Amino acid sequence: DAGVIQSPRHEVTEMGQEVTLRCKPISGHDYLFWYRQTMMRGLELLIYFNNNVPIDDSGMPEDRFSAKMPNASFSTLKIQPSEPRDSAVYFCASSLEVSEQFFGPGTRLTVL
Amino acid sequence: AQSVTQLDSHVSVSEGTPVLLRCNYSSSYSPSLFWYVQHPNKGLQLLLKYTSAATLVKGINGFEAEFKKSETSFHLTKPSAHMSDAAEYFCVVRRAGSYQLTFGKGTKLSVIP
Repeated sequence: DAGVIQSPRHEVTEMGQEVTLRCKPISGHDYLFWYRQTMMRGLELLIYFNNNVPIDDSGMPEDRFSAKMPNASFSTLKIQPSEPRDSAVYFCASSLEVSEQFFGPGTRLTVL
Repeated sequence: AQSVTQLDSHVSVSEGTPVLLRCNYSSSYSPSLFWYVQHPNKGLQLLLKYTSAATLVKGINGFEAEFKKSETSFHLTKPSAHMSDAAEYFCVVRRAGSYQLTFGKGTKLSVIP
């Protein structure tokens, strides 16, 4: 298996622009998680899905952030409009039921 | 509520010497505990996990950790450090029945040749 795939690996954008991050979980996994990693706050859970349904989005910082999972093999995290304080590494992870989470390589987002 | 405290933000060891990365946790319920490693510009990789079976857990690359309930600790050890062990290590707790992970702030391990 190729593991969790994220794209793009790096994204540089200007303040106010829309940013879309993409994730393909491991085939067969029924949970998908989005995390954000910053120096100040460490790793934070933003939202997670079970069988494509959002279960807990309490970690999503603002209404500017939204996430979707239209099918079992694809999820997006969108920021609109983006701000410099959104600069971080965003990780996607997937798991099979209550088991260990497998992380993707991350997307490094820089908002100028 | 649950929390994780990694007692050292940075640990430096010489190659071939033992590694000790300290972690204390707080959890209201029987937790599962994990150690993840993150190499520069890479994702997180699971090193080992404790899920209420044996208290001494062996992981990949020669790492192991011991769950001590009385001390609420889950320290990570390795008998002999290798240059390739240089990375950041995260102690993670998950409450029983929950899917949410709570991460420590991380410990950066440097290995001196």
